[in-house]
Order: sequence, then structure tokens, then C-alpha cells
Amino acid sequence: GENVEQHPSTLSVQEGDSAVIKCTYSDSASNYFPWYKQELGKRPQLIIDIRSNVGEKKDQRIAVTLNKTAKHFSLHITETQPEDSAVYFCAASIARGSGNTGKLIFGQGTTLQVKP
Amino acid sequence: SQTIHQWPATLVQPVGSPLSLECTVEGTSNPNLYWYRQAAGRGLQLLFYSVGIGQISSEVPQNLSASRPQDRQFILSSKKLLLSDSGFYLCAWSGRVQGFRQPQHFGDGTRLSIL
Repeated sequence: GENVEQHPSTLSVQEGDSAVIKCTYSDSASNYFPWYKQELGKRPQLIIDIRSNVGEKKDQRIAVTLNKTAKHFSLHITETQPEDSAVYFCAASIARGSGNTGKLIFGQGTTLQVKP
Repeated sequence: SQTIHQWPATLVQPVGSPLSLECTVEGTSNPNLYWYRQAAGRGLQLLFYSVGIGQISSEVPQNLSASRPQDRQFILSSKKLLLSDSGFYLCAWSGRVQGFRQPQHFGDGTRLSIL
């Protein structure tokens, strides 16, 4: 079955610096890769996602890149702010076709701390 | 727009007592539904998922069960809670557009403490 590895487990950056979180997946059939942000005590919220037919997607300060050959994808946050502090989860899924379950396999999470 | 409701928000139960957590989705039909558990400071563990009424798949053997009596209702149950059942329980749904499953969206969760 699919397995997703996420690194690093913790990341501390100064406000204004960039942060990068990396994930690798094992199942080459995976074609959908969302990223979630979870603030303390709250629900995970989708912040960006990418499908396997594109290599990069950007939304303001957040970008995700995908390397299908190497089976890894990364989250990039530029100009970090204290409110970016949270736990970030990557996930992988096979998201096409009838009868598919849409199951997400999550990484272990990265705790990002942005120091003011 | 679609919304997901999960209740209660917090619950304190004694060991051995029963459990029923409910999740409902509005604004969509035929969603996929999921139950996750998150231990403190840990990742998301998928417990059950459902692709339709009465269709439940279990990911982890345990003393919990799930049911889907209606299209947009998903219930997590237990007959006798264990201490290890403590955690943050999250319900999620995903829809389908043009044959592709869409992102999963989570409810606000239930924080369950077993005493």
C-alpha cells in the first residue's frame, strides 16, 4: 500500500525567511497531493493541492512542487509570518476513476515555528 | 456551499461506557465520508471510510464501529470504551467533480477523554 514520509518533523525559522517541507510517496499510481495546516486544537484545513498532471502550483506565499519521477513533493512558504506557525501535513491519494475511495495517506506532520 | 457538522465538541466518558459521535454533511450528495483519530501531538489515523449508504470499510481493528444510515450521516460508535480510545476524532468528507474525487474537508472534531 501507499506510504508517505514527511521531513522534517520540526522546523524553526525566523519571520520573513522561507520554509520548505518535503514528502516522499511510494505508490507511483498516486496522482493527488494535498497539504493541510492544523493550528493547535483546531481541524486540519486544506491550504493547497496539486494533481500529477502539473509540476508546480502557487497561491500567494505558498507553493507546491511535484517530481513524479522521484516520487516526492514539497511545500514552500515564503516570507513566513508568525501566523504560519502550525502543524503541516502532506498526503497522497489515487483520486480518479469509478469506485475509488479517495483515501488519503498522510505524512507524519511537520511542526513549523516562525519566530518574530 | 457545503458544510460539515460534528458533535459533540468535547466529551468525557468513563471506561466501559458506550460512545456515539455523529457527523452530517450539508450541501452535497453522495459524498465519501471518513473518520480519523488523532492522538495528542500525533498524526491522523484513518479509522473508517464509506463510499455510500451502508458501505463501511475499516482500516484499523479495534473496539470502534461506524455506520452510515443516510447519505450524509456518518456515526462512530463503541459499546465499551477503553482508556486508549482517548483522542481527537475528526470526520471528513470529499465529493466528486467530473469523475475526480475532490479534497477532503474536515469537521471541527470531538475531543474525547476517557477517565
